[in-house]
This record gives sequence, structure tokens and C-alpha cells, in this order.
Amino acid sequence: EDQVTQSPEALRLQEGESSSLNCSYTVSGLRGLFWYRQDPGKGPEFLFTLYSAGEEKEKERLKATLTKKESFLHITAPKPEDSATYLCAVRNAGGTSYGKLTFGQGTILTVHP
Amino acid sequence: NAGVTQTPKFQVLKTGQSMTLQCAQDMNHNSMYWYRQDPGMGLRLIYYSASEGTTDKGEVPNGYNVSRLNKREFSLRLESAAPSQTSVYFCASSDFTGTDTQYFGPGTRLTVL
Repeated sequence: EDQVTQSPEALRLQEGESSSLNCSYTVSGLRGLFWYRQDPGKGPEFLFTLYSAGEEKEKERLKATLTKKESFLHITAPKPEDSATYLCAVRNAGGTSYGKLTFGQGTILTVHP
Repeated sequence: NAGVTQTPKFQVLKTGQSMTLQCAQDMNHNSMYWYRQDPGMGLRLIYYSASEGTTDKGEVPNGYNVSRLNKREFSLRLESAAPSQTSVYFCASSDFTGTDTQYFGPGTRLTVL
């Protein structure tokens, strides 16, 4: 069974204080690791997809990296508007699970001015 | 281009009542999904439709039915609502011929009394 564990559950940062969020996963065959951002009362918003170990992607102050067991979402010099819940999900390469995403429980990030 | 839209945004039901949650996408995606999100449980897949004319059960299908009305629309029906179905429901769509990234709607917050 695919599993995704995110840590920490909650993270409080001061504006400008860089940090990382962790996503550990077990999946029988990885066909994509996804990062989403979710604001309160809204649906998840797509950020990145990573497919293979060593891959990195960046968007503004966010950089996502992938190893064979985990992914990190690095936040450089965060601003209050980066406050949100960050969700990690994996997609299994198995045929009967085609398209199915397994989500972690998320990390609630709060950035104080 | 509205992306994924859901109606209603909020709904309160009494135990035993029925209702249908509506979802539509204008991205010409083949696949559509229904998730529920509960505190501490993350996003869990209820049903999905890989393509028009097909539907399959996800992780938590009991108490729900779905209809893929056409390529754009995918509805979720609760035949006899129970308090355990109090949750936030998200619809998503993806194009599995491309990157298969799932894009989410804004959600429906359902309370069953």
C-alpha cells in the first residue's frame, strides 16, 4: 500500500527565515510526486511534479527536490503570503491504480511578518 | 477558462436526505475524480472516471454513487446522507495523455446533521 508522510505537521517561520518541508513516501512504482498548495477554504493548487530521483524544480521562493525515498520543499526567504498548507502526493505506476494519487496529511506553514 | 467548477459551495443536510454534488471542467480533460478531505485524514479518493463512460471505486466509495454525464461533467450523489459524510468534497480533473496533473475545484463543504 502506498504511503505518504509529511513533516512537520506545522511550521512557524519569521519572514525571511528559510526552511524545508519533508515528504517521505513508499510506493511500489513511482509515476510522479506532486506538491500542492492549499489556502484555507480553497481547493489544492498545483505547484510541481517530480518524476525521478535527482530532479529539482523551482517557482519563485519554492524549490522541490526528489530522492528515492523522500521529497523536500525548500522555502527561501518566505513572505507572509506563503502561509498555506502544503500537500504532497504520489502516483502509483500500477495499472489498476492508474491516476490514483495518495496524499499526505499536509504541513501547515505560517510565516509571520 | 474557469478550470474546475463545483456546485454548491455549502450544503447542510439532515440524516437520510439525498443530494447531488455537481462538477464541471472546461480543460478538455479525460479523467475526473471525487475526493473528500477530513481533518487528520488528508484527501481520500471516493470515485474516479478515467474517461467518458467509465467509473471506478476509489478508497472510500461506500455511501456514494457517481455519474460521468459527458466529458465535462462528473456528479457525486449521496443517496441517504449520514453524519459520517460531513466533509469537504473536492472534484479534480486531469489529462492522462499529458502530464496527468490533477487540477482541483474550489470544494463543497457539506454538513450532515
